[in-house]
Amino acid sequence: EVQLVQSGAEVKKPGESLKISCETSGYIFTNSWVAWVRQVPGKGLEWMGLIYPGDSDTTYSPSFRGQVTISADDSIGTAYLQLNSLKASDSAIYYCARLRFTVLVPRSVPYGSFDSWGQGTLVTVSS
Amino acid sequence: EIVLTQSPVTLSLSPGERATLSCRASQSVSMYLAWYQQRPGQAPRLLIYDASNRAAGIPARFSGSGSGTDFSLTISSLEPEDFAVYYCQVRTNWPPGYTFGQGTKLEIK
Repeated sequence: EVQLVQSGAEVKKPGESLKISCETSGYIFTNSWVAWVRQVPGKGLEWMGLIYPGDSDTTYSPSFRGQVTISADDSIGTAYLQLNSLKASDSAIYYCARLRFTVLVPRSVPYGSFDSWGQGTLVTVSS
Repeated sequence: EIVLTQSPVTLSLSPGERATLSCRASQSVSMYLAWYQQRPGQAPRLLIYDASNRAAGIPARFSGSGSGTDFSLTISSLEPEDFAVYYCQVRTNWPPGYTFGQGTKLEIK
């Protein structure tokens, strides 16, 4: 069974940094992309970026590029999302999700959908 | 940039009724569209991928159709656990990535 288990809820102050983990199991970590998705409570889903752990290739949404860093440690099957210089507007639930790819596209992200999700990590940024 | 527009924003129906949710893309996405269900307090769950394929473990009352720019998700007979928010999602060519619709809330009438 594919599982993605995220680290627990965090409370941070503005300006601080945070690294959220997503521990995977039940599949070959280096063979699938892992994405991060943000959801402000009561709002919709925003794709932030994804990583291919096989070669650590990452792609970011322009909305989040420069604000976050996605990484992976294939020795422990874990992906990470680092949030820098936190602001109150970064308060949200952050999800990791595995991409089930349908069609590979050279030098770009594949066509696909997100077939397994972590439980979400609630981040609260408040002074 | 592809924009997904879901309609209606809110759909009020009773258990046992048929639900039809719509997702329209601002440009053709061929058949590469997915649908998700999100219940309160839970992570999204993949229902349909590539427009019409049910994901593993998804009941047969869920079906997807469409291609190009117009897609629909149909729930043939609503169960109490189906009342949730539904999102559509596609891959975008430029900028390269993925985008979601704004969601349709399916509520009990």
